[in-house]
Amino acid sequence: DQQVKQNSPSLSVQEGRISILNCDYTNSMFDYFLWYKKYPAEGPTFLISISSIKDKNEDGRFTVFLNKSAKHLSLHIVPSQPGDSAVYFCAANMGNFNKFYFGSGTKLNVKP
Amino acid sequence: NAGVTQTPKFQVLKTGQSMTLQCAQDMNHNSMYWYRQDPGMGLRLIYYSASEGTTDKGEVPNGYNVSRLNKREFSLRLESAAPSQTSVYFCASSEVASYDYTFGSGTRLTVV
Repeated sequence: DQQVKQNSPSLSVQEGRISILNCDYTNSMFDYFLWYKKYPAEGPTFLISISSIKDKNEDGRFTVFLNKSAKHLSLHIVPSQPGDSAVYFCAANMGNFNKFYFGSGTKLNVKP
Repeated sequence: NAGVTQTPKFQVLKTGQSMTLQCAQDMNHNSMYWYRQDPGMGLRLIYYSASEGTTDKGEVPNGYNVSRLNKREFSLRLESAAPSQTSVYFCASSEVASYDYTFGSGTRLTVV
């Protein structure tokens, strides 16, 4: 059974608006969380991370929120741009940087 | 360009055939990984090598073997391919204790 779940396979957003991608996890031992972005025919690339001791981390247009009690992670992209159209994976681990558990991905389409 | 190179990019195998997927990185990273990506399942770790000379099982190691040939190269071998091993395979590398993985562009393998 998957320990990291992304229940929305796809999301469509208008350019300039906010994109919110969600991720849920089941293992309360997870203590580090990541988001990766993947374009077609390319490997995933690291986007942003958050430690379990924080509830928010920002990097430019990207903000990750962590709600430990709900075991929920979200990525906000503001404002969304057409170049953000990609598949976004969330991932989590528990103290071992060699073993990340990935969600199934959400395909974001930002319409011009 | 510096990065992770995977060969081949595409491969079709018959059930029972064997093959080796090659991966090489030129960033002097210590850790290397093999993931598979399946629809609706996200990325799942097959094997990893935390450092030269060591290899460990990930989530889905059955049916695979790996070799960390040297610091640069990490190969994945399918001894007797099965249709269930049809997938996109990604190799990645990272510094020790880093969550910033550099992924290759993937190998699309079909087993018929």
